[in-house]
Amino acid sequence: AQSVTQLGSHVSVSEGALVLLRCNYSSSVPPYLFWYVQYPNQGLQLLLKYTSAATLVKGINGFEAEFKKSETSFHLTKPSAHMSDAAEYFCAVNVNTGRRALTFGSGTRLQVQP
Amino acid sequence: DGGITQSPKYLFRKEGQNVTLSCEQNLNHDAMYWYRQDPGQGLRLIYYSQIVNDFQKGDIAEGYSVSREKKESFPLTVTSAQKNPTAFYLCASSGGLAGSETQYFGPGTRLLVL
Repeated sequence: AQSVTQLGSHVSVSEGALVLLRCNYSSSVPPYLFWYVQYPNQGLQLLLKYTSAATLVKGINGFEAEFKKSETSFHLTKPSAHMSDAAEYFCAVNVNTGRRALTFGSGTRLQVQP
Repeated sequence: DGGITQSPKYLFRKEGQNVTLSCEQNLNHDAMYWYRQDPGQGLRLIYYSQIVNDFQKGDIAEGYSVSREKKESFPLTVTSAQKNPTAFYLCASSGGLAGSETQYFGPGTRLLVL
């Protein structure tokens, strides 16, 4: 079975600062990894996904993530935070065997201070 | 516009009552999913369906039931056996069965107990 751990349930950064949200996964087969963003009382929107084509994945709104197999990590970064980035972010994993549904981390709430 | 609709936005349940949450998609997707979201716990899979007239239990299926009579519809019933139903419920769909497929989410239904 696969699992995801997101370190830090709350992260606070200043506007213009680097955003780093951490995600580590566990999977016995090659994983597919996703980052979603959720604004209050809304559904989830896909930011980016890793599907084994390239280890550095660029997504929407200036976010990117790097797949590091040796570290079993898929951390999300953005060079310069904007106030509109304040939201909850979820890392998720899926695989091509057995149950093919996303397994989510517990989420990280990002605060952006002016 | 293609997308996923969920209704109602808010739903109130009385003790001993069954309630049904609606999920409709016009994306022509084969697979559909129901997740439950509680604060600090991420999203947990309730049920999923990869084809019409077939569905599978997820991690927390007890107290819930689903049907998949049409490709575009996947309603979720919260039965009186679900003792703690207060949560945010999210429906999702994906176009294929591969683990790399993106899941698209609806706007959610918030269920509250009176």
